[in-house]
Amino acid sequence: GNSVTQMEGPVTLSEEAFLTINCTYTATGYPSLFWYVQYPGEGLQLLLKATKADDKGSNKGFEATYRKETTSFHLEKGSVQVSDSAVYFCALSARGGYQKVTFGIGTKLQVIP
Amino acid sequence: DAGVTQSPTHLIKTRGQHVTLRCSPISGHKSVSWYQQVLGQGPQFIFQYYEKEERGRGNFPDRFSARQFPNYSSELNVNALLLGDSALYLCASSLVRGDNNEQFFGPGTRLTVL
Repeated sequence: GNSVTQMEGPVTLSEEAFLTINCTYTATGYPSLFWYVQYPGEGLQLLLKATKADDKGSNKGFEATYRKETTSFHLEKGSVQVSDSAVYFCALSARGGYQKVTFGIGTKLQVIP
Repeated sequence: DAGVTQSPTHLIKTRGQHVTLRCSPISGHKSVSWYQQVLGQGPQFIFQYYEKEERGRGNFPDRFSARQFPNYSSELNVNALLLGDSALYLCASSLVRGDNNEQFFGPGTRLTVL
């Protein structure tokens, strides 16, 4: 079956530091890949996505590149802010039709001033 | 446009009771999915409905059931509640058109079972 493995947190960074959260996946075929963010007490928000190999998803300074050869989709940001403190989920969805989203365990990011 | 809405926001029940959670999808979305997120974990897939038919089911006991109405809203029902059912229940809607299966999540219903 499909699965997502992401680094466990918490990750604590100082403001303006560089962020990397690793994510690898196991899936048949070519899944779509996602990063979701969950702020305290809230639901999930889609942060970025990529639907085919070598695609780069980007949003709000965050980036992730779909690497089929390494089955990875690592999340990066060059300079984090306190407002980026949240839990980040890597996820995948098989192509076509009625496909569920499979999530990783989530990585909690805390950015300190 | 309004996003996915869920009700109630919070709910407290005791063991053995029954609960019904409700979800309204984004206008034009015909698919609704339900997920359970236990504290400290990622969401786990429970059900997906499209055009009022069940299209997918996760590894959950028969105490969990759902349905979708003609207006595409949905209910999730859980019978004989257990302490372990305490979680955030998320609803997501999607277009399900070709490869466009991006899901949009609601704010969730936080269920506490005492």
